[in-house]
Amino acid sequence: GQNIDQPTEMTATEGAIVQINCTYQTSGFNGLFWYQQHAGEAPTFLSYNVLDGLEEKGRFSSFLSRSKGYSYLLLKELQMKDSASYLCAVREGDYKLSFGAGTTVTVRA
Amino acid sequence: TAGITQAPTSQILAAGRSMTLRCTQDMRHNAMYWYRQDLGLGLRLIHYSNTAGTTGKGEVPDGYSVSRANTDDFPLTLASAVPSQTSVYFCASQKGENTEAFFGQGTRLTVV
Repeated sequence: GQNIDQPTEMTATEGAIVQINCTYQTSGFNGLFWYQQHAGEAPTFLSYNVLDGLEEKGRFSSFLSRSKGYSYLLLKELQMKDSASYLCAVREGDYKLSFGAGTTVTVRA
Repeated sequence: TAGITQAPTSQILAAGRSMTLRCTQDMRHNAMYWYRQDLGLGLRLIHYSNTAGTTGKGEVPDGYSVSRANTDDFPLTLASAVPSQTSVYFCASQKGENTEAFFGQGTRLTVV
């Protein structure tokens, strides 16, 4: 089994930067995913990390440290449409994909 | 392109009744998942399947069963529904280990 922890809520101002942390404990780590979920919609893929380091995709970046069981998602130049829940997910073994409870980000004007 | 489709979109079900939530994908993905999402608890894995013919238990499997007779379909059955199974259910599929999982649009189930 595994534990995945992330903050419940975060608030930031339009144009700012927000960092969402995720810590995990797993017996067979095999990759970490970040998803975005708007209210009433299905989750959509943002990023994937399996090796240590930073992955950058436009305004979004994701970092992984396997030795520390730690990842973060960095959202830059925040826009109102970025208000959503951000889900950290860890793959254990071949295909078992488990999610954290999610972090609700509210962007204020 | 259909992708991954769930049916029904929503359902109200009397307690004690059985129901099957349908999930179909046309992407020939190997892995498929069923999650339930409840406020404050996030997505919790119910059952998963690595490939056709195999299934595995997730975090909250009790009260649910699945089958994977072929690559495309992964139905979730509630044999005797209880109010605590009121939730939003998401089906997802994944091609390979290092690829993203795609989600269906969800099924909102209310057990009364």
